[in-house]
Amino acid sequence: DVKVTQSSRYLVKRTGEKVFLECVQDMDHENMFWYRQDPGLGLRLIYFSYDVKMKEKGDIPEGYSVSREKKERFSLILESASTNQTSMYLCAIGGSRRSDTQYFGPGTRLTVL
Amino acid sequence: SQQGEEDPQALSIQEGENATMNCSYKTSINNLQWYRQNSGRGLVHLILIRSNEREKHSGRLRVTLDTSKKSSSLLITASRAADTASYFCATHNQGGKLIFGQGTELSVKP
Repeated sequence: DVKVTQSSRYLVKRTGEKVFLECVQDMDHENMFWYRQDPGLGLRLIYFSYDVKMKEKGDIPEGYSVSREKKERFSLILESASTNQTSMYLCAIGGSRRSDTQYFGPGTRLTVL
Repeated sequence: SQQGEEDPQALSIQEGENATMNCSYKTSINNLQWYRQNSGRGLVHLILIRSNEREKHSGRLRVTLDTSKKSSSLLITASRAADTASYFCATHNQGGKLIFGQGTELSVKP
């Protein structure tokens, strides 16, 4: 079974804090993705990575950065958290550049106060 | 803009009934996928249908694809309370990224 884990299920941070969300996979997939999910807006792609040290902006990268130092780990960083970044954050992995199935982690519900 | 859009936004049925959800998309596709999300959890892949397929089955799931109408439907037969979840369709955009619709929230009452 594909396993994608995220560092926290629930996280509460204060405005201005630096926040790290970590995603780890055990399937040796090249592609890893970070989404945020908000009511009425669906899933929106923040950043993705096709390989170690490679990253590409998604649809809403502002206010976020990412790090992929090892193939199995993809980190999402909120440099200075703001209340509008309160959301559900979902990590996913996928098989190839134009594939196809994505496998998701359980999600991290982040609240920024 | 959304590549895939589901209809209806919410659906409430009794256990044992069939549930049908629809998805429309805008551009040509190689395949279309359906995912399920239980409340507060990640998405789980259900089924993928390729553009040259018209219908696909997996257990109690039946997916159809009409590329001329740019639409797909997901049918869950003999629904159970455990089918209560949100269901999303997803397609790739021109940049190769997977784009999800906003989902149909299915409630199956026992």
